[in-house]
Order: sequence, then C-alpha cells, then structure tokens
Amino acid sequence: NAGVTQTPKFRILKIGQSMTLQCTQDMNHNYMYWYRQDPGMGLKLIYYSVGAGITDKGEVPNGYNVSRSTTEDFPLRLELAAPSQTSVYFCASTNLGGGKFSYEQYFGPGTRLTVT
Amino acid sequence: EDKVVQSPLSLVVHEGDTVTLNCSYEVTNFRSLLWYKQEKKAPTFLFMLTSSGIEKKSGRLSSILDKKELFSILNITATQTGDSAVYLCAVETIQGAQKLVFGQGTRLTINP
Repeated sequence: NAGVTQTPKFRILKIGQSMTLQCTQDMNHNYMYWYRQDPGMGLKLIYYSVGAGITDKGEVPNGYNVSRSTTEDFPLRLELAAPSQTSVYFCASTNLGGGKFSYEQYFGPGTRLTVT
Repeated sequence: EDKVVQSPLSLVVHEGDTVTLNCSYEVTNFRSLLWYKQEKKAPTFLFMLTSSGIEKKSGRLSSILDKKELFSILNITATQTGDSAVYLCAVETIQGAQKLVFGQGTRLTINP
C-alpha cells in the first residue's frame, strides 16, 4: 500500500491564481481530512469528509473548497490564492466505525505552497 | 473556542536526559487526546488517551491523562538523538468524526 499520497510536493502561486491539491489514499478509509500548518504552529483543520459525497467545514475553511466523489480521492481547491494561504498542507485519513476501527490518522507527506 | 496549549514550546537537552512535555486543553466536548511525533514531514501517531490515570507506554515513551485537571503529559526517558522532533498534542472533540484540535507543538532537540 502507498498509504496517503499528495501532489504536488511544492508549488508557488501568484496572488489570485487557482490550484487543486490532490490527495489519494489506498487504504479504503472512510474519513479524510485536510489540514494546514503554518511555520512554528500546530495543524488546523480545513475540511473533512466522512465518506464519498459528504464533506464538512473544519476550523479554517475560508478560501478553500473540497469534494469527495470517490472513497480514494479528496482534492482541495484554492480559488483565489492569497499570501495568507502560504502554508504546508497535509491530507490525512482514518477508518472509523464498522468492523474496522482505528484511532490513528495516517498523514500524507504534505504540499508546501507559497503564494506571492 | 476550543483550545490546546503545549509547553514548553522548545526544549534542548542532552542525550540520556528524561523530558516531560505538557499539554493542557479547554474544549467543549472532549472525547480523546492524541500525541503525534513530527520529524521532517508528516506527523506519526504515538498514543491515544481516553481515560484518566491510565498510563500508555511504548518503549521509552509514556503518557498519561488527567481529565479533571484537563492536561496530559508525555514522558521520554533515556532520550536519544533520534527523539529530536516536534511533538504535537491534539484533542478529539466530536464523536464519530475524529475532528482534531492541535496544540502548537513542542520542538525537542536532543544534543549528543
């Protein structure tokens, strides 16, 4: 299993540009999450999903959109990039409920985004 | 507003020392507290605690939760240079979705 993969690893955007951060997991996890981590800080939840077709806002959703059309994929969309969105973005997944139960969120390697 | 505060923010010790990292929280619907280790990139899971007074151990690492005083500690004994990392504390606030509120982390540096 590859686990949680994220693309791209690095990206530089100009103010006002748009982009999609990709996240894929191959563990058949039902729950997926997007976090951002600013320098010297902990992680803040942007959006999460409890299954295909179901998403909800976290602590800091403004300026972002998500979709979950399949179990495996959970892309994060930035529509109008701003310097305040310069951060490292982590995707994570876990499996809660049913016959398989895990407390651990598995994280992807992160995407470092700079907006100038 | 839910809040998780870690202390100290930074700690430098010598190899072989014992360290204690602190995590206090104020959240409206506590479900569990988790510790993660973050080296260069993604956080990796260490412990999950749900009940007061029950110590979780994994090798030289141990952790305990006090739900009355709203804090947890992470102990590392006989530290090694490989323990150098940022240690993150997170609190799960809503049952069924594992929404996590993270503290700002403690940067631990172990000097040889």
